[in-house]
Amino acid sequence: GAVVSQHPSRVICKSGTSVKIECRSLDFQATTMFWYRQFPKQSLMLMATSNEGSKATYEQGVEKDKFLINHASLTLSTLTVASAHPEDSSFYICSPNTGQASAKETQYFGPGTRLLVL
Amino acid sequence: AQSVTQLGSHVSVSEGALVLLRCNYSSSVPPYLFWYVQYPNQGLQLLLKYTSAATLVKGINGFEAEFKKSETSFHLTKPSAHMSDAAEYFCAVSGDFGNEKLTFGTGTRLTIIP
Repeated sequence: GAVVSQHPSRVICKSGTSVKIECRSLDFQATTMFWYRQFPKQSLMLMATSNEGSKATYEQGVEKDKFLINHASLTLSTLTVASAHPEDSSFYICSPNTGQASAKETQYFGPGTRLLVL
Repeated sequence: AQSVTQLGSHVSVSEGALVLLRCNYSSSVPPYLFWYVQYPNQGLQLLLKYTSAATLVKGINGFEAEFKKSETSFHLTKPSAHMSDAAEYFCAVSGDFGNEKLTFGTGTRLTIIP
């Protein structure tokens, strides 16, 4: 299967710090990138969808000025949590997609980044 | 709009017993349905997916699921549980093409009793 990497895997930071999370699709070109977050003992919730070279589309309730998404290339997307606060502590997961409409395509997920804001 | 409901946030079965994890869906279009497994501190791994080709879908690790339109269900089963099956399982649904954003259920934590 496809390889998706996220860096860092775990980060602990002080409140007010900005944190950047990288997601790389190592063996395919990701036209579309989905970013999810998962709070403890809860399910994954979609935060935003980005297409390479264009602005991200955010789900309702997700602050675009706080969760900055850059999808500048087909193999790299970054999520920056600006001025993180304890309530932003969560497990952030990226999911790259080639953007081709095909039922045969498998959705891949990164291993996730666990963010703890003190 | 699509949604999934997973009945039972925790399920415990004895090793060797049948595993049954329930998922019901709601969709305004023909759904694509998925089951994912998440082991502790790891990302999601696809177990199987339904793409309208066959109602009984076989996945990895001996799991299978049956799509029942009349019941709007997509329950996950495995005939004989192994200790290694202990994990969190998520049912998910997506839109028309099956490769769009996913809507996840709340998850079911499966515990295997030795």
